[in-house]
Amino acid sequence: EAQVTQNPRYLITVTGKKLTVTCSQNMNHEYMSWYRQDPGLGLRQIYYSMNVEVTDKGDVPEGYKVSRKEKRNFPLILESPSPNQTSLYFCASSLSGVFPPQETQYFGPGTRLLVL
Amino acid sequence: AQKVTQAQTEISVVEKEDVTLDCVYETRDTTYYLFWYKQPPSGELVFLIRRNSFDEQNEISGRYSWNFQKSTSSFNFTITASQVVDSAVYFCALNTGGFKTIFGAGTRLFVKA
Repeated sequence: EAQVTQNPRYLITVTGKKLTVTCSQNMNHEYMSWYRQDPGLGLRQIYYSMNVEVTDKGDVPEGYKVSRKEKRNFPLILESPSPNQTSLYFCASSLSGVFPPQETQYFGPGTRLLVL
Repeated sequence: AQKVTQAQTEISVVEKEDVTLDCVYETRDTTYYLFWYKQPPSGELVFLIRRNSFDEQNEISGRYSWNFQKSTSSFNFTITASQVVDSAVYFCALNTGGFKTIFGAGTRLFVKA
C-alpha cells in the first residue's frame, strides 16, 4: 500500500531533550516536506527536500533540522525542543516538486508533539 | 507575497443544508495551483481537489462543488445536502510554482444531525 508513515505518532518530551521524528514513504517520491499545524494558523512549511541531499527552508525553519540521505526517508530533528514547538507535525511527499505538479502531496498521519 | 485567507473560522449547519466555504488567495504569479484538503476528526489530511490557474471551469464531484473565479481571486467550496460525516476542518492551499505550498488557516465545519 502506498503510504507515508511517521513515527512516533504521539510524543511528550521536556525542553532541551533532542528528538527525531521519522518520516518514510514507499512511493519512490522525489519531493518530501514537513509542516506544522497550529490552531488558527493552518499548516506552515518547515523544510522541504527536492531530492536526496537537497533540502531547503520553508516558512518556519527555526529550531528544526532535516536530512535526506535516502530517497524514502526525511527525518525531522529538534536539537533542543522548546514549548513553542508543541504542535501537530505532518510529513508529505509527492512524485516531484517541480512545477507544474502532476500529482498532489500525500500526507502522513501526523505526529502530535508536546514539549514541557 | 502569497497568501491564502479562509475568513470563516467555524461554520455550523444542520444536516441536509448546503454550505459554502470561502477561500481567497493572493499571488502575483499568473501560473499557480489551488487545492482543498479535508481533515476529519481523526486528524489525517485528505486531498479533495487541485485546480490550475488556467482552468476556471467549475467542478462537481458528487455533493462537492468548487467555484474558481480569478476575477475575485476566490476558490470556494460548496457541500450540497451536508451530512454529519462532512464535519471536519477544511484547508485551502496555494502553490505558485517551486516547492512551497501556502495553506489557509482552515475552516472548521460542524454538521449537526
